[in-house]
Amino acid sequence: DAKTTQPNSMESNEEEPVHLPCNHSTISGTDYIHWYRQLPSQGPEYVIHGLTSNVNNRMASLAIAEDRKSSTLILHRATLRDAAVYYCIYGGASYDKVIFGPGTSLSVIP
Amino acid sequence: EAQVTQNPRYLITVTGKKLTVTCSQNMNHEYMSWYRQDPGLGLRQIYYSMNVEVTDKGDVPEGYKVSRKEKRNFPLILESPSPNQTSLYFCASGYRVGTEAFFGQGTRLTVV
Repeated sequence: DAKTTQPNSMESNEEEPVHLPCNHSTISGTDYIHWYRQLPSQGPEYVIHGLTSNVNNRMASLAIAEDRKSSTLILHRATLRDAAVYYCIYGGASYDKVIFGPGTSLSVIP
Repeated sequence: EAQVTQNPRYLITVTGKKLTVTCSQNMNHEYMSWYRQDPGLGLRQIYYSMNVEVTDKGDVPEGYKVSRKEKRNFPLILESPSPNQTSLYFCASGYRVGTEAFFGQGTRLTVV
């Protein structure tokens, strides 16, 4: 099963960068790493994904370790709207038995 | 607007009464999936579909059925609901495995 390990919770001050870590030691060479977030009372929302290289988009950056066994989601300037549960997942070629896990609950302090 | 639409959003039903939760996407996605979310257990995959007429079990398929007769629709069927199926359900779709998945707004089901 595609299992990841993340801290249960993290806290950040508003407008400061946030680094959310994820361990995925059993990842295979063809698995993409995905990050989603879930705001209260909403469905999960895609944030970013990557395979080997670091990735940037309008929401965040994804830093992937050279051995691909861990990754870090970087929110460059946390806002109150970024308070959510962040999930790191990876899927096999068929997304077989994707496991979201409990994720990291991010609190943003004004 | 690109979206995944689930219906109903809220449902209270009795044990044993068959029900269907519909899921429809307007993005011509091949991949669709159902998850349930329970406190302390996170999101767990129930079933997924790689394309029309192709479905497979996820992590917790017991008590559920799905069908994929058309690309846009992926209904979740509970033939005989039980109280342990009380949960928040999410449908998701994507162009193909490994790409961004879009989630619906969820269906909160209570079985009494």
